[in-house]
Amino acid sequence: GAVVSQHPSWVICKSGTSVKIECRSLDFQATTMFWYRQFPKQSLMLMATSNEGSKATYEQGVEKDKFLINHASLTLSTLTVTSAHPEDSSFYICSARDLAGGPDTQYFGPGTRLTVL
Amino acid sequence: LAKTTQPISMDSYEGQEVNITCSHNNIATNDYITWYQQFPSQGPRFIIQGYKTKVTNEVASLFIPADRKSSTLSLPRVSLSDTAVYYCLVGDMGGSYIPTFGRGTSLIVHP
Repeated sequence: GAVVSQHPSWVICKSGTSVKIECRSLDFQATTMFWYRQFPKQSLMLMATSNEGSKATYEQGVEKDKFLINHASLTLSTLTVTSAHPEDSSFYICSARDLAGGPDTQYFGPGTRLTVL
Repeated sequence: LAKTTQPISMDSYEGQEVNITCSHNNIATNDYITWYQQFPSQGPRFIIQGYKTKVTNEVASLFIPADRKSSTLSLPRVSLSDTAVYYCLVGDMGGSYIPTFGRGTSLIVHP
């Protein structure tokens, strides 16, 4: 099946710094990618929908100036957590949709564990 | 957007069949039902998807009654490695679909 990768798999940073997380679709083109955040023992919470070549659509309550999303190509979307604080520590997961496939074409990345000290 | 309801947790033993039911009373005509499995600190993994009646693959079966207001994921002869959280999602899998996760069902398989 199709593969979605994320980099890095984990990152530790100091409070106030920015962190960039990459999401790549390795063997298909993804016009749409989704970014989720998951806190311990909770479900995935959708943060934003990333569309290639256009601005991301953020869910209510998600600060677009803090979580910068760029989807510059059909295989790459990036999430930048700006001025990270300890409360931003979480597990970030991306997914990509392959519109060339059938209905079951939502593929998830392995996730990125962010720890802000 | 169809809301889903699942049991929060389930317990089973190795070798047993496990059935997890998901309620989606306001499912729309064009909606599909998709189940994902998630292990701790990993992204969700696709298990099975269906529209009506029964779908079976190498890991699970999905039963959908005629009214489609619920669905049941069936895992035959579970093992310890099936301990995970299982999510049921409902939606039109076309270009406008935004996958939204409910609370999921935490399945614990005991030896």
